[in-house]
Amino acid sequence: GAVVSQHPSWVICKSGTSVKIECRSLDFQATTMFWYRQFPKQSLMLMATSNEGSKATYEQGVEKDKFLINHASLTLSTLTVTSAHPEDSSFYICSARVKRTGISSTDTQYFGPGTRLTVL
Amino acid sequence: GEDVEQSLFLSVREGDSSVINCTYTDSSSTYLYWYKQEPGAGLQLLTYIFSNMDMKQDQRLTVLLNKKDKHLSLRIADTQTGDSAIYFCAADSSNTGKLIFGQGTTLQVKP
Repeated sequence: GAVVSQHPSWVICKSGTSVKIECRSLDFQATTMFWYRQFPKQSLMLMATSNEGSKATYEQGVEKDKFLINHASLTLSTLTVTSAHPEDSSFYICSARVKRTGISSTDTQYFGPGTRLTVL
Repeated sequence: GEDVEQSLFLSVREGDSSVINCTYTDSSSTYLYWYKQEPGAGLQLLTYIFSNMDMKQDQRLTVLLNKKDKHLSLRIADTQTGDSAIYFCAADSSNTGKLIFGQGTTLQVKP
């Protein structure tokens, strides 16, 4: 259980075009999804928190008009990189939060396989 | 803000035990996690530990937590070449519920 998929797994686009990346929770509903960016040999950088039915919350320094996030359903969040430039080339990873019942209400994040974006 | 630190590299021989260490700063973190990332892939949740526990064992994996020192470790017994990957320690932020990741430890397993 708790499988998260991303599509596409890799994409190459020309500078100035927009690219949409999908993140799906396959066997559970996720009210909250997260979008991360990872540079080579570095850790994950949280870009934004995506909440179903409401606007995403962006981390400081992340341009919300450049990285559009939509969380239209409990199983799907999308990240659109608008007017992509070579500096946007990166590995984008999403995660979906599963509500844990029991001792604590703290949730667990399950990650997608990532999307490699290359902007020429 | 919360900070999570890990050593960057560990090399072991196949069959040996590996111990990856992590320190964190937020003493009110409720859960601490270990994720594994293979090249070109996403993160795979390996295990997690609740902050009121000292130890958790799951097959070849043993997690030790010293809450007083805010120190977490992951021990992999009988390390195999398939264990070669980057291992991330993460702590949940008590204020936001977000995960704060360490820099990742690259584990190299030599045959």
